[in-house]
Amino acid sequence: EVQLVESGGGPVNPGGSLRLSCAVSGFTLSSHGMNWVRQAPGKGLEWVASISTSNSYIYYGEPVKGRFTISRDNARKSLFLQMDSLRAEDTAVYYCARSSENYGGFFDLWGQGILVTVSS
Amino acid sequence: SYVLTQPPSVSVAPEQTARITCGGDAIGTLSVHWYQQKPGQAPALVVYVNTDRPSGIPERFSGSHSGDTATLTIDRVEAGDEADYYCQVWHSRSDHYVFGPGTKVTVL
Repeated sequence: EVQLVESGGGPVNPGGSLRLSCAVSGFTLSSHGMNWVRQAPGKGLEWVASISTSNSYIYYGEPVKGRFTISRDNARKSLFLQMDSLRAEDTAVYYCARSSENYGGFFDLWGQGILVTVSS
Repeated sequence: SYVLTQPPSVSVAPEQTARITCGGDAIGTLSVHWYQQKPGQAPALVVYVNTDRPSGIPERFSGSHSGDTATLTIDRVEAGDEADYYCQVWHSRSDHYVFGPGTKVTVL
């Protein structure tokens, strides 16, 4: 089955760190750019970070630049998001999303999401 | 930073047509994609590159693109179409993906 499954979320104190993982199955991870998108409670979608197939291109949204790091391990079929210096405003459901293989401008497959709660 | 605009809500009676607009500076030069998100679920792609539909998406969903506005049209609306709809672009000048604020579609 083609799917993305996020893990690693949960509660964390402000200033703390968390590492999210996204396990890929049913398709070849190395053929796709990958992304993280988040959604604060009751709010809209916000793009967080993207990584190209060969790690040549990595981009971050302004709110997380310098604090979050996206990475991938194609052999382990996994995508990661290292989140440091977490703030209350980082509280959200974090989705792993796959970029289309032939044109990377949109997200054609999404995980179910994982909740990150930053609170003391 | 690039900003997309959407109406907060659209209400439509069953079997009627819902139109959701997405505005942005020179959006006509960008490829626009649309996602549907039902309560408690992850988003799902319904239209990509302005007018194309992924497999499994009904023909009732269509996209158009003109001037400074992109539009998602849902024909013959059904109760199951109630959801939030988001437009999205890749803004190459800033190397950022951008989502619109979302439109809540309510079926009366």
